[in-house]
Formats: sequence, structure tokens, C-alpha cells
Amino acid sequence: GQQVMQIPQYQHVQEGEDFTTYCNSSTTLSNIQWYKQRPGGHPVFLIQLVKSGEVKKQKRLTFQFGEAKKNSSLHITATQTTDVGTYFCAGDQTGANNLFFGTGTRLTVIP
Amino acid sequence: NAGVTQTPKFRVLKTGQSMTLLCAQDMNHEYMYWYRQDPGMGLRLIHYSVGEGTTAKGEVPDGYNVSRLKKQNFLLGLESAAPSQTSVYFCASSYWDGANYGYTFGSGTRLTVV
Repeated sequence: GQQVMQIPQYQHVQEGEDFTTYCNSSTTLSNIQWYKQRPGGHPVFLIQLVKSGEVKKQKRLTFQFGEAKKNSSLHITATQTTDVGTYFCAGDQTGANNLFFGTGTRLTVIP
Repeated sequence: NAGVTQTPKFRVLKTGQSMTLLCAQDMNHEYMYWYRQDPGMGLRLIHYSVGEGTTAKGEVPDGYNVSRLKKQNFLLGLESAAPSQTSVYFCASSYWDGANYGYTFGSGTRLTVV
């Protein structure tokens, strides 16, 4: 079945440092999405990537979709304490609106 | 708009008891989903629905049943709860225009089976 792997599982950074999480799928994806879950909260949709090689930015966050549409990354520049949480990627293999979520990367930002 | 509302927020069950989790959305979304979240395993899809009156199995459907009698509601049932079903359950809904979509999640139900 479809698998979406995410690394690292945990990341501790000093405030102001950069952070990157990587997502890899065993199969080609029709699109990939990223979600953020604050501690004790629920996942919140951040962005969707559809095109091969696509790059999108949201303020300090940069999202990339690989050329083969099997991998993706989320990069945060100059982390802030408000960035704390778990970041999930979620891939759709069939294009039928059915997402498989990665295991997530838990980000801790040390003030 | 309330978005996606889940009830109850917390519940403790004894092994063998049954219960129903309710999910309601007011965004007129066609698609609704039930996920469970366990430490280190991310979100796993239990069942989903692509419209009123339809349901389908996800990745981990065993021990659960669902119903979508009304477009705005998606119910998740546990007929005979087991300790392995201790988890946080999230409901989600989404629109889909054939190309772009995003899931809106409820705040979750924390279920403990003892």
C-alpha cells in the first residue's frame, strides 16, 4: 500500500535557526499537502503542491515538490517560538481526494 | 461558521462497551473522513465518505463502523471497544473541485478504553 515517510521524527532548534523536514513517498503522488498541529491541537492545512518541481512560499515557510513527485520538503527560515508543533505531509496517490499522512516531525524551538 | 465539530471531546470506556462519535460540518463539504492518531504513527484513515449515503474503508477499518445519513454528519461507531482503540480520533471534511482541496479538521475526541 501507499507509504509516506517523514524525517526527522523530532527536531530541536534554537530560536532563529532554520528547520527542514523531508517527506518521501514509495509511489508517485498526484499532489502533496502540508499540515501543522500545535501541541494539544488539531491538524491545520498549510498548503498543497501539485506540479512537478513546484516551489511555494508562505512568509518564512518554503515548500518544495520533487521533480519525480515522490518527495517534498518544508523549510522554515529563522524559526520562532510560534513555529512549535508537529508538521505533517500528506500524499494523494490516486488523485481521488484520499490522503495518506506521514508520521510527522515534531519541532521544538528553544528561546 | 463553526467548521467541523466533534462530540464528545473526551470519553472513557470499559472494554466491550459501545459508543458513537459524532462529527458535524457546516461548510457543505461532500467529503468526510475519520482518522485516528497514535504516538509515532501519524494519522491513519479509518473510514471515509464521498457523499451522503456513501462510505468506504480506509487503512485501519477493523472494529469500526460509520454512517453518513445526512451530508453534514459523519458518525463513527465502536461496537465492542478494545484497549487497542485507545487513541485520539479526528474527523475531517473537504471540498473538491477536481484539482485543489484541503482538509478541515475537528478538534478531536480523546478516547481511553480500560
